[in-house]
Amino acid sequence: DQQVKQNSPSLSVQEGRISILNCDYTNSMFDYFLWYKKYPAEGPTFLISISSIKDKNEDGRFTVFLNKSAKHLSLHIVPSQPGDSAVYFCAAWGNEKLTFGTGTRLTIIP
Amino acid sequence: DTGVSQDPRHKITKRGQNVTFRCDPISEHNRLYWYRQTLGQGPEFLTYFQNEAQLEKSRLLSDRFSAERPKGSFSTLEIQRTEQGDSAMYLCASSLVSQPSPLHFGNGTRLTVT
Repeated sequence: DQQVKQNSPSLSVQEGRISILNCDYTNSMFDYFLWYKKYPAEGPTFLISISSIKDKNEDGRFTVFLNKSAKHLSLHIVPSQPGDSAVYFCAAWGNEKLTFGTGTRLTIIP
Repeated sequence: DTGVSQDPRHKITKRGQNVTFRCDPISEHNRLYWYRQTLGQGPEFLTYFQNEAQLEKSRLLSDRFSAERPKGSFSTLEIQRTEQGDSAMYLCASSLVSQPSPLHFGNGTRLTVT
């Protein structure tokens, strides 16, 4: 039972353009959502988060949008840079722990 | 901030052997989590501690797995009688108890069971 879903295993974006990563969840008890970035042979690194009482949070080039009625969130990266190439995980907080999606591999093309 | 430290980074063992991993959390963090990640999947929750108390264990954690955090600081995860299906990246994370807040992950221990 996958409560957090990332339906795109991979995404390629031209350098300088916008990258949009999507995530859907099924559990309406989730109240805090996070995006993590992971490079090979490293642990996930926290990127940005959003509380369920908000619909948008921005931090530099990264913006997360939350649509509670659709149980959908997205991460926008603009402009995309080569160093953004990594695996991105969506995660949701509930019952004192994080539940992760399966990840999207983002490749930025120079 | 020294971050979350895990040791060893890699472990290769033969099926049936026991292995133990160590995690040192960020010093002021009172919550410590263990996750497991296999290829093509996101991290999956195994167990967590608040100080020295183990508050939840996932049903993924068979009775061959045991975790401890004896003094509320570092934690160990032991796997007895390893099986090939135990091959994975084992990730440790820590956080403050004031919720919600991001978990801070270590770089993991990659276990290979041959």
